Amino acid sequence: GENVEQHPSTLSVQEGDSAVIKCTYSDSASNYFPWYKQELGKGPQLIIDIRSNVGEKKDQRIAVTLNKTAKHFSLHITETQPEDSAVYFCAASIGGGYQKVTFGIGTKLQVIP
Amino acid sequence: NAGVTQTPKFRVLKTGQSMTLLCAQDMNHEYMYWYRQDPGMGLRLIHYSVGEGTTAKGEVPDGYNVSRLKKQNFLLGLESAAPSQTSVYFCASSYSRQGQGTYEQYFGPGTRLTVT
Repeated sequence: GENVEQHPSTLSVQEGDSAVIKCTYSDSASNYFPWYKQELGKGPQLIIDIRSNVGEKKDQRIAVTLNKTAKHFSLHITETQPEDSAVYFCAASIGGGYQKVTFGIGTKLQVIP
Repeated sequence: NAGVTQTPKFRVLKTGQSMTLLCAQDMNHEYMYWYRQDPGMGLRLIHYSVGEGTTAKGEVPDGYNVSRLKKQNFLLGLESAAPSQTSVYFCASSYSRQGQGTYEQYFGPGTRLTVT
């Protein structure tokens, strides 16, 4: 089955700096790669996603890149703010109808004011 | 819309006791999922359902049973709780958006279960 590795497990950055979280996946059939943000005491919430026919996607301060050949994808957060502090999960799935999503172990991001 | 709701929010069980976790969604989603979240292990799929009356095993199904008698509800049962089932449980739902390739899962707020 699919295996998703995520690193780092913890990340501390100064407010205003950039943060990068990296993930690799094993199943070349995976074609949908979402990123979820989980705030303390809440369920994960989708913040951005990318499909395998796209190399990069941006949404304001957040961007995701995908390298299908190398089977890795990354989350980039620019101009970090204290409210970006949370746990971030990458995931991979074969999209279409029901999706069996495999999650990474999560990255705890701390933005220091 | 309330989205995905879970009942209860917290529960403490003794080893061997049974309980049912209830998940409800008001978005008319076809697909529903139960995950458990443990430190350092991310989210692991327990069981899932692709429609009313259907269920299937996920990655870690042992010790759990599920039922989906109504489209909007997905129940997770523990027949004989064990300390290894101490975890935070999340329910999620999603739908198939044909041709658009977006498959967001909507998560509930979670149930924190402790088995002593």
